[in-house]
Amino acid sequence: AQSVAQPEDQVNVAEGNPLTVKCTYSVSGNPYLFWYVQYPNRGLQFLLKYITGDNLVKGSYGFEAEFNKSQTSFHLKKPSALVSDSALYFCAYNSGNTPLVFGKGTRLSVIA
Amino acid sequence: GAGVSQSPSNKVTEKGKDVELRCDPISGHTALYWYRQSLGQGLEFLIYFQGNSAPDKSGLPSDRFSAERTGGSVSTLTIQRTQQEDSAVYLCASSSGTGINEQYFGPGTRLTVT
Repeated sequence: AQSVAQPEDQVNVAEGNPLTVKCTYSVSGNPYLFWYVQYPNRGLQFLLKYITGDNLVKGSYGFEAEFNKSQTSFHLKKPSALVSDSALYFCAYNSGNTPLVFGKGTRLSVIA
Repeated sequence: GAGVSQSPSNKVTEKGKDVELRCDPISGHTALYWYRQSLGQGLEFLIYFQGNSAPDKSGLPSDRFSAERTGGSVSTLTIQRTQQEDSAVYLCASSSGTGINEQYFGPGTRLTVT
């Protein structure tokens, strides 16, 4: 079955350190991959997407993600974490303008 | 510009009652999606509207759930004879519907069935 997986329920990182939130995919054909963030009591906000082209995708708030076809991964990264980055992060995919299929989410906690 | 809006933000209802949840998508967006976010199930797709095409209802969990989209804009999700397992946050999203475009989400409606 086609899916995305987020292997970590929780990621803790110290403020100022680099952060990585992991996502792997199992999708046939060319995957369209997305990262969304959800702050407490808020809806989901789009961070970035990979469609084709450059494997390194830059998005909002200083986040970036690298599409790695050989490892079927699309990890979210940021060079220097902020306390305000603490939130719930979702990896997702779709096949164009179709419903998103989400991973289960990873809670990021940035500690001052 | 204005984003996706949803109303009400919170709804508490008694088991067995019907509820209606409203979504106002971003103006000009032809695609509209409903999702449900619950603790045990994560984020799951419910129904999808694209332009004038028949909606994709494949995610609706039971025939108690239905949705309509009037005039290609506002959408209403209706849950009949609510059950406690319907308690969740219902999220609406819209996208421009052409190309590979990100979906923009509303703040959600938190439904509690007592």
